[in-house]
Amino acid sequence: ETGVTQSPTHLIKTRGQQVTLRCSSQSGHNTVSWYQQALGQGPQFIFQYYREEENGRGNFPPRFSGLQFPNYSSELNVNALELDDSALYLCASSLGGGARSSSYNEQFFGPGTRLTVL
Amino acid sequence: AQSVTQPDIHITVSEGASLELRCNYSYGATPYLFWYVQSPGQGLQLLLKYFSGDTLVQGIKGFEAEFKRSQSSFNLRKPSVHWSDAAEYFCAVGSNTGNQFYFGTGTSLTVIP
Repeated sequence: ETGVTQSPTHLIKTRGQQVTLRCSSQSGHNTVSWYQQALGQGPQFIFQYYREEENGRGNFPPRFSGLQFPNYSSELNVNALELDDSALYLCASSLGGGARSSSYNEQFFGPGTRLTVL
Repeated sequence: AQSVTQPDIHITVSEGASLELRCNYSYGATPYLFWYVQSPGQGLQLLLKYFSGDTLVQGIKGFEAEFKRSQSSFNLRKPSVHWSDAAEYFCAVGSNTGNQFYFGTGTSLTVIP
């Protein structure tokens, strides 16, 4: 059984650019959540996708967007990068039942993508 | 608004000593509570979770946590710490709608021989 994988491992971008981060969920999982973890902070919930639709969103601006594909892999897109977007971006997959059950099921986290914005 | 507070930024304990990491939450409904551990270069790993029932929950690696509704707390404990327990520990609360998740700022644990 393959765990959650994320690519790339590290990424350097300049302010104003756009970036796409990728996540492959664990086999059998239909829910993917994305988190931003700034240095020395806890992860902050960005959004969650369940069966290809956004299922919940944290306090992040619209320039943070996502996609989930039929195989349940996912992308996080960030437009107009700012210096404060520098962080570790974590993806987590789980087997959800929609809006009322994703928190009941364990989230399995990937190792993250380290994004540096210069 | 939902939030999680971990008052201790950093804790140092001797190997073999007991450990308690504090967590307080703010949530309007019945909380779903979690403790995660993050080691350098590793992903977050679930230690234990509380949804309902017995307020003392057992987790992996010898950890346990107690839910105290009256104190809005979910403290993590271990009776005897091992050097390999040195890591960052995060408390988290999940919404009962299943589509929101909130982490605390973490407690860094150092274990001295």
